[in-house]
Amino acid sequence: GENVEQHPSTLSVQEGDSAVIKCTYSDSASNYFPWYKQELGKRPQLIIDIRSNVGEKKDQRIAVTLNKTAKHFSLHITETQPEDSAVYFCAASRVKAAGNKLTFGGGTRVLVKP
Amino acid sequence: DGGITQSPKYLFRKEGQNVTLSCEQNLNHDAMYWYRQDPGQGLRLIYYSQIVNDFQKGDIAEGYSVSREKKESFPLTVTSAQKNPTAFYLCASAAYSNQPQHFGDGTRLSIL
Repeated sequence: GENVEQHPSTLSVQEGDSAVIKCTYSDSASNYFPWYKQELGKRPQLIIDIRSNVGEKKDQRIAVTLNKTAKHFSLHITETQPEDSAVYFCAASRVKAAGNKLTFGGGTRVLVKP
Repeated sequence: DGGITQSPKYLFRKEGQNVTLSCEQNLNHDAMYWYRQDPGQGLRLIYYSQIVNDFQKGDIAEGYSVSREKKESFPLTVTSAQKNPTAFYLCASAAYSNQPQHFGDGTRLSIL
């Protein structure tokens, strides 16, 4: 089955700096890669996703890049703000396979210091 | 999302007891999912359903059971066979199985 590894496990940045989180996946057939943000005790919220037919996607201060050859994808947050502090999870799945089962990484706790 | 309701928010289980967690959605979504989240860890898939009256095991189905008798409802039963049930349980749904999944607010289950 799919295995997703996420690094780093914790990330502390100064407000206004950039944050980068990296994930690697094992199943070369995976073709859908969402990122979720989870604040303490709350539900994960989808912040951006990318499918394997594109290499990069941006949404305001958030961007995701995908390298299918190397089987890794990254989340980039620019101009970080205190409200970006949360745990971020990457995931991977085969969209067209039965169920679109997501396999999640272990999470990255991001702390943005004012 | 406001359209996915999980209840109760907190639940306590006694030894040997089965408990059922509720998940209801009013989004007319076909696909529904149950995940388990342990402290400091990622989410793991317990069961999923792509259509009414059909469901499939995920990666950690042992000790759990589900039903999908109605499109809007996907309850999860944590049976006494699940020896370590303490966790945060999250339900998700998607319009179709190839669409993004969105989560409910979760149920936190503890053992008394």
